[in-house]
Amino acid sequence: EAGVVQSPRYKIIEKKQPVAFWCNPISGHNTLYWYRQNLGQGPELLIRYENEEAVDDSQLPKDRFSAERLKGVDSTLKIQPAELGDSAVYLCASSPRTGERTYEQYFGPGTRLTVT
Amino acid sequence: DAKTTQPNSMESNEEEPVHLPCNHSTISGTDYIHWYRQLPSQGPEYVIHGLTSNVNNRMASLAIAEDRKSSTLILHRATLRDAAVYYCILRDDTTSGTYKYIFGTGTRLKVLA
Repeated sequence: EAGVVQSPRYKIIEKKQPVAFWCNPISGHNTLYWYRQNLGQGPELLIRYENEEAVDDSQLPKDRFSAERLKGVDSTLKIQPAELGDSAVYLCASSPRTGERTYEQYFGPGTRLTVT
Repeated sequence: DAKTTQPNSMESNEEEPVHLPCNHSTISGTDYIHWYRQLPSQGPEYVIHGLTSNVNNRMASLAIAEDRKSSTLILHRATLRDAAVYYCILRDDTTSGTYKYIFGTGTRLKVLA
């Protein structure tokens, strides 16, 4: 079974430029998460989707971050414009069930973003 | 959200047992205790979870204190591949909860050959 796929793995951009990250969850997983992980810290949730619906985006900086999950499968996280403080690893995760106890989240390898 | 406290780092010799502690004194009755680990340059991976009783799986054992204010992840024989950051996380699994993980900084485990 293929795991969570993310691309690109690495991205270097200049500040004020836009950037987008793509995530393909495990087939059949209804719940999708985007996390940000700063160096030396644990991941922090940015947004959680149940199918196409963003059910928790309270931690997403909406002035510059946006996300979408069209058709309830793939998802894209965008930053526009990027700031130096956005340098981090962006992780995508998925879980198999909706609205029930979901014990495991399956994480992708992440995209390491460097803003110069 | 209830918080957890873990040592920043621990060391273990290869093929010896490792006990990774976690304190969660403000745990509520509906909080499950989850453990994840993160190997270098990878996303976190699930290790084990429990509510009240001790739990075993192929990767590890989870020992939960009777008052649930602390728990211990036990790796029975550490290998070099177990070197990772281990996160102890509480998650509210009620229908009003959001099944949200709040990661701390974890314990960095170093395994010595």
